[in-house]
Amino acid sequence: AIQMTQSPSSLSASIGDRVTITCRASQDIRNELGWYQQKPGKAPKLLIYAASSLQSGVPSRFSGSGSGTDFTLTVSSLQPEDFATYYCLQDYSFPYTFGQGTKVEI
Amino acid sequence: EVQLLESGGGLVQPGGSLRLSCAASGFSFVSHTMTWVRQSPGKELEWVSIITGSSGTIFYADSVKGRFTISRDNPKSTLYLQMNSLRAEDTAVYYCAKVATYHYSESGGYYIDAFDVWGRGTMVTVSS
Repeated sequence: AIQMTQSPSSLSASIGDRVTITCRASQDIRNELGWYQQKPGKAPKLLIYAASSLQSGVPSRFSGSGSGTDFTLTVSSLQPEDFATYYCLQDYSFPYTFGQGTKVEI
Repeated sequence: EVQLLESGGGLVQPGGSLRLSCAASGFSFVSHTMTWVRQSPGKELEWVSIITGSSGTIFYADSVKGRFTISRDNPKSTLYLQMNSLRAEDTAVYYCAKVATYHYSESGGYYIDAFDVWGRGTMVTVSS
């Protein structure tokens, strides 16, 4: 199975900060990666698919980049509603695998 | 409005069985691949299983292979997860999700899956 390693596991940030989360795959997965946001007690929400495509309705302050093994999720200016846990997911091959998550805290 | 509503969770003893359901509405259920994802308390998300619209392609995580069975009833717009031989480590919130599939023409052509709509989840607790 492909391993997805996220870093950092948690970070502290302030409103207006630029935040970057990385995800590394254990093998080349082309651009077959998505980013999901999860708030406590809620279902995950799709933010980015195909590494860099913004899901409809998601604010443009979210962006994704990368291909191959290294990927990045960036929030250009952190807003109060962005404090959550973020996960990457590879859909290159089965079994699909999530990263361990990055908790963004105030 | 596109909606997914899971049901069927509860408390079950180790070795027992449970069937989860996911009722879909607001979209053409038969046209979409569907998937199950779970999350143990305080842990990360774990992909469980996936099934195409025709039920022709099915995959499982190694942790549930041979114990769980995914299925769907397209006329009823309902997805199922039959869980047998349950273990304590199966304790989790189980989410169903609709899969949006995108085709890319590069590299000979391939498909990307994105879990674009999620249900609220149903809790499964395996304990004696």
